[in-house]
Formats: sequence, C-alpha cells, structure tokens
Amino acid sequence: KNEVEQSPQNLTAQEGEFITINCSYSVGISALHWLQQHPGGGIVSLFMLSSGKKKHGRLIATINIQEKHSSLHITASHPRDSAVYICAVKDSGGSNYKLTFGKGTLLTVNP
Amino acid sequence: SAVISQKPSRDICQRGTSLTIQCQVDSQVTMMFWYRQQPGQSLTLIATANQGSEATYESGFVIDKFPISRPNLTFSTLTVSNMSPEDSSIYLCSAVLASSYEQYFGPGTRLTVT
Repeated sequence: KNEVEQSPQNLTAQEGEFITINCSYSVGISALHWLQQHPGGGIVSLFMLSSGKKKHGRLIATINIQEKHSSLHITASHPRDSAVYICAVKDSGGSNYKLTFGKGTLLTVNP
Repeated sequence: SAVISQKPSRDICQRGTSLTIQCQVDSQVTMMFWYRQQPGQSLTLIATANQGSEATYESGFVIDKFPISRPNLTFSTLTVSNMSPEDSSIYLCSAVLASSYEQYFGPGTRLTVT
C-alpha cells in the first residue's frame, strides 16, 4: 500500500509570495493528482501528472518519478488561493483507479 | 472534461435516520467511486459503484451501512444508514471519464449527524 506524505501540513504566506507544497510517496505510481479543496468541502482537480511538468496559469506541478516526489508551486500567491491542497496517487499496474490520498496542506494567503 | 453534481450539498440529520446522496455526471464514465472525509482526515475510499451490479466495498465498509446504487453509466447514489455522530463527514463522488480516463470529483456533501 502506498504511503503519501505531504509537507508542510500548514503554510501561511503573504500575498505575492511564491509557494511550494511537496508530496512524496513510497511505491511506484502511474499517475499523481493535485487537488484543491475549499472550506465548503468541494474538490477541484488541478493537475494529473505521470511525468515532467505541467503549468496552468499561476500553478505549476512537477514530478520526479525516480525520487517518488512531486511539488506544486503557486506563483504570485493571492488570498483566493487559500485552500487545502491534496496530493493523491494511483498505483501502477492493472486498471485500478483507486487513489491514495495525502492528508493535505492547509494554505493561508494573507493580503 | 466532466462536471459532477451532488445532492444535497449539505444536511443536518438526526441519529438513527438515513440519508441518500445523489451523484450525477454530465459525461460517459467508466468508473464511479464514493469517498468519505472525516474531520481532519484524508479522503478514504468507501466503494466502487458498479453499473447494474453490487458495489465493491473497501475494508471497513459494508453494504448494510452504505448501500450504493448505479442504475446507469452517469448516475449513482450512496445511502448512509442508521446514522450516528461518527458518520459526520464530507462524502465525495468521483468518476473516471470513458474518453480520457481522467478522474473528476464532485463538490461533496457535508453531513452533520446530531
């Protein structure tokens, strides 16, 4: 069973700062998701990665398969980025779409 | 892409009652899942909803407590039965698109049991 660790657990930043959230996992995967959860509970999928790097607006996600590590970066952070960011992995092999989730990183961006 | 809707978005229920949560996807999907997120915890898979057959439950979850239906490719329901305060959680529906195999999540249902 994959173990997913996120760091930091909590992060407070000032508006405009560059943010990095890290995710490491223990067993080989076929895909990694970065998710955003707002206080109401709803989850939005930000990225699905299997290799390399993806960018969407101010968000950048990278993954290093050999090191079993991924990072989510937010450039020019804004208070509306305040949310819980969750890393989730899909184990490699077969057609199993079950995900293992990290506990999340609570990001607070102050104006 | 896909849009997943859930009803209700939140509810406050009495101990001992049951609540049925609906999940509707606007695209053809291959797999649908139900997750639970207890306060301060990470998401946990309850079951995989199988079209036209019984759901596949994860360890620790049973059909009598969490009956699931999936009558067609784009709709599923989860019932939380005989609720207790420990069932207070966010319940999330998720689906894998048939066209791209990308996984999408619903907005969640926040359940409080008093």
